Amino acid sequence: DTAVSQTPKYLVTQMGNDKSIKCEQNLGHDTMYWYKQDSKKFLKIMFSYNNKELIINETVPNRFSPKSPDKAHLNLHINSLELGDSAVYFCASSLAGAQTQYFGPGTRLLVL
Amino acid sequence: DQQVKQNSPSLSVQEGRISILNCDYTNSMFDYFLWYKKYPAEGPTFLISISSIKDKNEDGRFTVFLNKSAKHLSLHIVPSQPGDSAVYFCAAEYFTGGGNKLTFGTGTQLKVEL
Repeated sequence: DTAVSQTPKYLVTQMGNDKSIKCEQNLGHDTMYWYKQDSKKFLKIMFSYNNKELIINETVPNRFSPKSPDKAHLNLHINSLELGDSAVYFCASSLAGAQTQYFGPGTRLLVL
Repeated sequence: DQQVKQNSPSLSVQEGRISILNCDYTNSMFDYFLWYKKYPAEGPTFLISISSIKDKNEDGRFTVFLNKSAKHLSLHIVPSQPGDSAVYFCAAEYFTGGGNKLTFGTGTQLKVEL
C-alpha cells in the first residue's frame, strides 16, 4: 500500500531520447509536485499541480512537460534528453494548502 | 542563491548521545519549517515541523527549535539511535498564492555509532 509511487525506479538512456516518468499517489491528496535532486544533492522544486491545474512552474527548460490526467497522477515527460538532465527526480503530494509533502522513492535518471 | 543552508555536510554521534543538526535561512517570508529524513535509495520522509509563530516543537525524541531573529533552526535528537543514521534535510516554506513551495537545504549526513 505504497503512498506515493514512481515508475521506473531507474532509467538509463541516450542523449536526445524522449522519456517519461510516472507518479501516482493513493493518499487522496489534491496537490502533486516534481522535484529534481542534482549531483550536489540539492533538491529543487520543478512543478506543482493542484487538481490537474499547474500552479508552480519554476525556471525549467520547456523540454520538461508535466501532465496530470487526474489528481492522483502527475507524469513528467522529458524531450531531447541532455547529459545535464541526469539526476534523481522525486514526486511528492500534499493536501491543498498543507505544508507537509509526502515523497515518492525517486527515479534515478542517467543520460549517456 | 541558496536560501536554506545546512553548513555541516556530516555529523557523527555516539549512540545514546544528543544529535544537533543546524539550519540557517535568509528569506524572511518563510513561515513554516520542516525536517525530512532520507535513507539511501529512498525518498525524503517527513520528520517534524514548526510554524514561524512558535519557537519549539517536540515529538518524542525529536525537538525542533526556531530562532527567528537569527534565522536559525535546529533539530535535536535525544537519545540518538543507530537507526537515526540518515541524511537530514531542512526545508522552509511560504505560500506563494499558487501553492506551497518547499526550499531545501543540501542535507547533513548523520552517523550514529555504537
